[in-house]
Amino acid sequence: NAGVTQTPKFRVLKTGQSMTLLCAQDMNHEYMYWYRQDPGMGLRLIHYSVGEGTTAKGEVPDGYNVSRLKKQNFLLGLESAAPSQTSVYFCASSYRDSKRKAFFGQGTRLTVV
Amino acid sequence: AQSVTQPDIHITVSEGASLELRCNYSYGATPYLFWYVQSPGQGLQLLLKYFSGDTLVQGIKGFEAEFKRSQSSFNLRKPSVHWSDAAEYFCAVGSNDYKLSFGAGTTVTVRA
Repeated sequence: NAGVTQTPKFRVLKTGQSMTLLCAQDMNHEYMYWYRQDPGMGLRLIHYSVGEGTTAKGEVPDGYNVSRLKKQNFLLGLESAAPSQTSVYFCASSYRDSKRKAFFGQGTRLTVV
Repeated sequence: AQSVTQPDIHITVSEGASLELRCNYSYGATPYLFWYVQSPGQGLQLLLKYFSGDTLVQGIKGFEAEFKRSQSSFNLRKPSVHWSDAAEYFCAVGSNDYKLSFGAGTTVTVRA
């Protein structure tokens, strides 16, 4: 049982490059989330999805796009990376009726130079 | 919108001593409250949760937390810490609008 898997685990990008982070969950969860974690700021919600084909903005959505074409996958895209997007990114998922008890992936450490 | 405040950025405690981490939340309705722990280089692991009922909840690894509505608090406690408890701890609140909001975290250092 893999749980929540994030790909890749590490990445270095140059300013202006694009990339996609993949989150896959095998628990049939309805809700999925993307967070970024920065020192002293905890986890901030970027985007979230309450079901296949549906996405919504969180606290810090600028510079990111997401897609949820399949229930088990939630993709986070950076169209033109900026140094301010250097962070650790976490994906999480939960059941609709779990009152937001979330399961987290191991994180993706992204550095934009 | 909900929010979470963890007043202590860093706490140092001796092994075997008790630990209390503070968490205050802001939310208009009855909140869903969580404590997560993050070990270095790892993802977040759920320690315990409060949805309703008994305001003192027990979690894994010997942790407990008490929900106090009058104080808008959900403090985490452990009677006797172990060196393996050194980690970063996050309090979180879930709401009816699908979101899970986190505090800034408290780093716990355990000294021998």
